[in-house]
Amino acid sequence: TQLLEQSPQFLSIQEGENLTVYCNSSSVFSSLQWYRQEPGEGPVLLVTVVTGGEVKKLKRLTFQFGDARKDSSLHITAAQPGDTGLYLCAGANTGNQFYFGTGTSLTVIP
Amino acid sequence: ETGVTQTPRHLVMGMTNKKSLKCEQHLGHNAMYWYKQSAKKPLELMFVYNFKEQTENNSVPSRFSPECPNSSHLFLHLHTLQPEDSALYLCASSFEGDEAFFGPGTRLTVL
Repeated sequence: TQLLEQSPQFLSIQEGENLTVYCNSSSVFSSLQWYRQEPGEGPVLLVTVVTGGEVKKLKRLTFQFGDARKDSSLHITAAQPGDTGLYLCAGANTGNQFYFGTGTSLTVIP
Repeated sequence: ETGVTQTPRHLVMGMTNKKSLKCEQHLGHNAMYWYKQSAKKPLELMFVYNFKEQTENNSVPSRFSPECPNSSHLFLHLHTLQPEDSALYLCASSFEGDEAFFGPGTRLTVL
């Protein structure tokens, strides 16, 4: 089993603050995805990173893939209440397999 | 709208009932998945199908029976479930394992 550990598990911040979520593994992945899930809904894909060291930006969200392709981070600038949700990372390798992280539950307080 | 639909969205069943969950993807993907999401637990992979062939059964109890008649449709047949099987059941699809696209899930409650 290729386990991905996310930290922190829970995060509650005020609107306007910055935050970083981490996704770490001892395994190498060919790509890594980040998802956001709202209560009672399925996870929605935010981004895929493929190359070691790659940085992708999606408005106020910045995603980075580690040089060794074992870890990733998600940084949110000036968080808004609409950012509230469960953030999941998932590593992919050959064979149609996805290995999901333990999740980070984010609450942004207005 | 992710291109993956699931029905029903909510299901309440007794332990002696038989019911089925349905998933359909309109993305032309070749792989389909069933995941179980329980409170305070990571997503648990249950089954993987690639071009209608089951390629992964993650030690799932036999009271869960998957069916994949074609690359666009996936079913999960349920019978004699236990209360601890109550969870959000998520279907997903992918093209060659690139990215997973999820449906909205079925919230299952077993009484």
